[in-house]
Amino acid sequence: GDSVTQMEGPVTLSEEAFLTINCTYTATGYPSLFWYVQYPGEGLQLLLKATKADDKGSNKGFEATYRKETTSFHLEKGSVQVSDSAVYFCALSLYNFNKFYFGSGTKLNVKP
Amino acid sequence: NAGVTQTPKFRVLKTGQSMTLLCAQDMNHEYMYWYRQDPGMGLRLIHYSVGEGTTAKGEVPDGYNVSRLKKQNFLLGLESAAPSQTSVYFCASTDGGVQETQYFGPGTRLLVL
Repeated sequence: GDSVTQMEGPVTLSEEAFLTINCTYTATGYPSLFWYVQYPGEGLQLLLKATKADDKGSNKGFEATYRKETTSFHLEKGSVQVSDSAVYFCALSLYNFNKFYFGSGTKLNVKP
Repeated sequence: NAGVTQTPKFRVLKTGQSMTLLCAQDMNHEYMYWYRQDPGMGLRLIHYSVGEGTTAKGEVPDGYNVSRLKKQNFLLGLESAAPSQTSVYFCASTDGGVQETQYFGPGTRLLVL
């Protein structure tokens, strides 16, 4: 079935370190791919998205490239800040009543 | 423009009690969703709606009922709460189309004793 797998956390980094959070997917059709971020005590917010193969989504210094050949959508940031500490969710959507499938989330802790 | 709002923010129930969670959106979205979030399990879809008057089961529908009598509102009911339903519940909406973003409410934290 359709699903998303992302690396388990927590991930702990020092400020200004490079971040990679891995995400791979399984889908029967041609999904759109998303990264959502959840700050403590809040709902999920869209961070970035890509709607077709080789598209790159970017926002607030974060980037992810839709790789159809490896069914991946890894999240990267060149220099993390303390304010990036949050839980990050990879997700996909298929044109099936707009069902969304979420990964289990990766908690990022950035230390000053 | 409030986006997606949820009522209440927090609730404590005793086993067997009932309650209704309210989700409201002011973006005229067709599709609405109820998820539960449990530690280490991400978000799991409970029920969803593709338009006013329609509802459908998601991944974990047992023990919950929903109604979408008005386009802007999506209600989640627990008829007889159980401790296994202790969770954080999120409502979301989208305008439709595979490229569309889901907009989430702030969540309702439910504790069933």
